[in-house]
Amino acid sequence: DTGVSQDPRHKITKRGQNVTFRCDPISEHNRLYWYRQTLGQGPEFLTYFQNEAQLEKSRLLSDRFSAERPKGSFSTLEIQRTEQGDSAMYLCASSLRNEKLFFGSGTQLSVL
Amino acid sequence: GENVEQHPSTLSVQEGDSAVIKCTYSDSASNYFPWYKQELGKRPQLIIDIRSNVGEKKDQRIAVTLNKTAKHFSLHITETQPEDSAVYFCAAPEDSSYKLIFGSGTRLLVRP
Repeated sequence: DTGVSQDPRHKITKRGQNVTFRCDPISEHNRLYWYRQTLGQGPEFLTYFQNEAQLEKSRLLSDRFSAERPKGSFSTLEIQRTEQGDSAMYLCASSLRNEKLFFGSGTQLSVL
Repeated sequence: GENVEQHPSTLSVQEGDSAVIKCTYSDSASNYFPWYKQELGKRPQLIIDIRSNVGEKKDQRIAVTLNKTAKHFSLHITETQPEDSAVYFCAAPEDSSYKLIFGSGTRLLVRP
């Protein structure tokens, strides 16, 4: 599979629990992005990496959210102390030195 | 930062008719304008994009036009088919970064 892959596809958790999502970008892509999408809305930027460096975080991203890309390949997004408002589709995308983003299928998070 | 507005939010057309979706952007420095198609439960997929050095680009039944002076761009789908039914998102980069800001989406329904 040469596309962006995300794991898990679905996650159901109870409020207050921590969750972690993984994204594997297209292998030669040096940029990796995390977006959040709620029903009926467009993807909303959260953060992005160039290689292993996290270059920008959205002001929307609270301190409960953290992302890493330790070796410049796969990335993880962790949400601590989840809240019901965190329920959304979390999309990962990658690109090769330009704006052409290729998205993964996303992780659908439901916080009960 | 960049602000992208998209309309209409929903569009219903008869099979074979044309569909037009419009977006406006705020950052005059933006130079790349993609369109993504998202079918229910699937990832957003890039269907066409345009750079600011051209005014129009076509790919079979789809085309994108750009008016840099007015800061708006449009997606045109001709001879619509039921499989064109999906949500379509426009986007534009923020500042000089490769981070894309998305519109809120247009739900297109093609009636057989």
